[in-house]
Amino acid sequence: AQTVTQSQPEMSVQEAETVTLSCTYDTSESDYYLFWYKQPPSRQMILVIRQEAYKQQNATENRFSVNFQKAAKSFSLKISDSQLGDAAMYFCAYRPGTYKYIFGTGTRLKVLA
Amino acid sequence: GAVVSQHPSRVICKSGTSVKIECRSLDFQATTMFWYRQFPKQSLMLMATSNEGSKATYEQGVEKDKFLINHASLTLSTLTVTSAHPEDSSFYICSARDLQGNTIYFGEGSWLTVV
Repeated sequence: AQTVTQSQPEMSVQEAETVTLSCTYDTSESDYYLFWYKQPPSRQMILVIRQEAYKQQNATENRFSVNFQKAAKSFSLKISDSQLGDAAMYFCAYRPGTYKYIFGTGTRLKVLA
Repeated sequence: GAVVSQHPSRVICKSGTSVKIECRSLDFQATTMFWYRQFPKQSLMLMATSNEGSKATYEQGVEKDKFLINHASLTLSTLTVTSAHPEDSSFYICSARDLQGNTIYFGEGSWLTVV
C-alpha cells in the first residue's frame, strides 16, 4: 500500500531562520509526483512545491526547496528566511498516475517573531 | 490561474436531512474531480473519484449510498450527503483535474455541520 508519513506533528522556527519538514513515503511505482501543500486557517490548499519522480534535480520555488531522495523515499521541505505568513499546516502528498492524492498527517509550523 | 469553487462554504443541516455540496471548475474543463474529507486536526482522506458522465469510484469504507456523487458536466460535480448524522460533520474538499494536463486544483472546501 502507498503511504505517506510525516513524523513531525509540530515544528517551530524563528522568523528569518530556516526549517526543514520531513516526509517519507512508500510506493512500488516508479513514476509519480510528490507535493508539499500549505493549509492556512482558511483551509484552502495552497501548492508550495512539486517534484516529478523522474527528475533528479531538486525542485526550488523561491524560499522553498526540497531534498528528494528517491532511493530512500524521502522528500523533505526546506523553508529559508521563514516569515510569519509561513505559519500553517503543511501536508506532504504523493500522487501516482491515477491522480489520487495520498496525504501525510501534516506538520503544523509555527513561526516565532 | 485555474479556480475551483465550492458552494456552500459553510452549511448547517438537521440530522436526517440531505445536503448537497457543489464543486465547479470556473475556467477549465475537468474530466475528473475528487472528493476529500478532512476531520479536525487530521489529514485529507480521499472519498471518491468522480468522472464526467460515469459513476463515481468510491474508496474502501466510503458508503456510496450515503455520499452520492454526480458529475453531470465537465465543470460541475456534486456531493450529496444523505440522511446526515452528526458524525458526518466535517470539512469536505474537492479537487479537479484539468482536461489539458496533469494539474490538479483544489477548491476552498465546505464545512458541514449536522445538528
